Amino acid sequence: EAGVVQSPRYKIIEKKQPVAFWCNPISGHNTLYWYLQNLGQGPELLIRYENEEAVDDSQLPKDRFSAERLKGVDSTLKIQPAELGDSAVYLCASSESGGNSYNEQFFGPGTRLTVL
Amino acid sequence: GDSVTQMEGPVTLSEEAFLTINCTYTATGYPSLFWYVQYPGEGLQLLLKATKADDKGSNKGFEATYRKETTSFHLEKGSVQVSDSAVYFCALMLTGNQFYFGTGTSLTVIP
Repeated sequence: EAGVVQSPRYKIIEKKQPVAFWCNPISGHNTLYWYLQNLGQGPELLIRYENEEAVDDSQLPKDRFSAERLKGVDSTLKIQPAELGDSAVYLCASSESGGNSYNEQFFGPGTRLTVL
Repeated sequence: GDSVTQMEGPVTLSEEAFLTINCTYTATGYPSLFWYVQYPGEGLQLLLKATKADDKGSNKGFEATYRKETTSFHLEKGSVQVSDSAVYFCALMLTGNQFYFGTGTSLTVIP
């Protein structure tokens, strides 16, 4: 079974340019997460989807970041315009949904963004 | 607020040495606790978990016990191998699948 797929794996852009990241979760996983991972730090949640609904976007900087998951499957995270401080790894994860018990998150390999 | 504090690295050990990576947490309610591992060039993978106090999670020779009295979840392995070289993340989950990760501890095992 395929894991979480992310593309591109690497992206280099100049500041003020737009950039988009794509994520395809594991088939059947209704919950999708986008995380930001700065160098030497742990992942920090940006947004969490249950199907097509964003149920937690409190940490998403909405002035420049946006995300969508229109059909409740794959998702796109966009930054416009990018700033130097946005250089980081952007991780996507997915899990099954439902119940109060833990549903394991499966992570993609991430997209490493460098803003020059 | 809710958070995880883990031992800073990097940690360098010789093969077959004993490993401990400390992790403490602050949380409201009763979190579930996890260790994730990230091998070079790969995504994070779940290593082990514990969902309630006194539970012991174990996998691949690694163990961690959920200690509510000390709010800790230290990772241990009795004899590390070169293949264990990776970054290890402690994490907690609150209700609603809210995750908080520690900063990660890099482990290098030398032959």
